[in-house]
Amino acid sequence: NAGVTQTPKFRVLKTGQSMTLLCAQDMNHEYMYWYRQDPGMGLRLIHYSVGEGTTAKGEVPDGYNVSRLKKQNFLLGLESAAPSQTSVYFCASSGAGVWGDTQYFGPGTRLTVL
Amino acid sequence: GESVGLHLPTLSVQEGDNSIINCAYSNSASDYFIWYKQESGKGPQFIIDIRSNMDKRQGQRVTVLLNKTVKHLSLQIAATQPGDSAVYFCAENPKDNFNKFYFGSGTKLNVKP
Repeated sequence: NAGVTQTPKFRVLKTGQSMTLLCAQDMNHEYMYWYRQDPGMGLRLIHYSVGEGTTAKGEVPDGYNVSRLKKQNFLLGLESAAPSQTSVYFCASSGAGVWGDTQYFGPGTRLTVL
Repeated sequence: GESVGLHLPTLSVQEGDNSIINCAYSNSASDYFIWYKQESGKGPQFIIDIRSNMDKRQGQRVTVLLNKTVKHLSLQIAATQPGDSAVYFCAENPKDNFNKFYFGSGTKLNVKP
């Protein structure tokens, strides 16, 4: 049971390049999330998904797209990277509890946009 | 939006002492709270949670206290060890934003040997 995994761990992009971050979970969780973490700030929600085939915007969705084609995978895409997207990205997953449910996080992807 | 903050950005304690990390939240509708530990270069790790129908919950060496009157959350770590050195986040889950969490910026705990 690997929990939540993310690939790649590190990436450097030039402004305008595109890339996709992959998140996978083996806990059969319904909900999945993408966050970004910047120095001195709390985690901010980019997009989330409440089930296969569904996605929704979070707090800071601009410049990102997501897809949830399979229950176990949640992809985060940057179509045209900008330096402001330099950050550490975390994926998380949780069950569909009625009253909130614990979110489990992946190890993160450190992205630098030059 | 919701505000989740921490009173002390950095806390230094001696090994073996008890640590207390505080968190204030602003949304009185929040009814589920989690404490996470994040070590350098790693993702947040679940420590303990508490729901609004409780005032206190204990785990192994950790206790979370919830004071709904003043909207305050605390994490107590007993007999702090060097391995406890990390950044600790609190997160709140408002009842009207099911499974959306709002995170504080974190407190860094330094344990001195």
